[in-house]
Amino acid sequence: GDSVTQMEGPVTLSEEACLTINCTYTATGYPSLFWYVQYPGEGLQLLLKATKADDKGSNKGFEATYRKETTSFHLEKGSVQVSDSAVYFCALTQGGKLIFGQGTELSVKP
Amino acid sequence: DGGITQSPKYLFRKEGQNVTLSCEQNLNHDAMYWYRQDPGQGLRLIYYSQIVNDFQKGDIAEGYSVSREKKESFPLTVTSAQKNPTAFYLCASSNRQGTSGANVLTFGAGSRLTVL
Repeated sequence: GDSVTQMEGPVTLSEEACLTINCTYTATGYPSLFWYVQYPGEGLQLLLKATKADDKGSNKGFEATYRKETTSFHLEKGSVQVSDSAVYFCALTQGGKLIFGQGTELSVKP
Repeated sequence: DGGITQSPKYLFRKEGQNVTLSCEQNLNHDAMYWYRQDPGQGLRLIYYSQIVNDFQKGDIAEGYSVSREKKESFPLTVTSAQKNPTAFYLCASSNRQGTSGANVLTFGAGSRLTVL
């Protein structure tokens, strides 16, 4: 079945460092792809999305490009802040529901 | 403000007891979902409902039950048949399939259930 695989965490970075969180997927058809973020003690929030190949989603300085040829949707940010510390989930659509990766915890130190 | 309200935020249960987690939304969304979150395992779908009075099992429905009698409400009951119920439970909603915003989920703040 369809699935999402993320790089394992936790990822620890210093403030202003570059971030990449890898996400690859297995799917039949052409799913939409998403990144959600979960801050401590809260539910998830949509960070960005892409609905077709070569689309780039962006929000709050984060970007991800839908790469059909490599079945990837890696999350990137050029300069992270302490406030970006959270758990990040990659997800895809499947038959009217979302399939999530296992999540990657990011910790940014001042 | 529109959103999803889950209650209670924390719940403790003795083994053998059923408990019901509440989820209410005022977003006028047709679809609602229940996920379970465990450390290192991401989110796993328990049940989902695309329309009132209809719902489907997700990947880990055993030991859980739901109802969808009203559009805005989707309560989850964790029964005594659920062998390992201690977890963080997240409710979500979205527009129905085929409409703008479908698959963009809005989540509640979660309910943490601990079995003593």
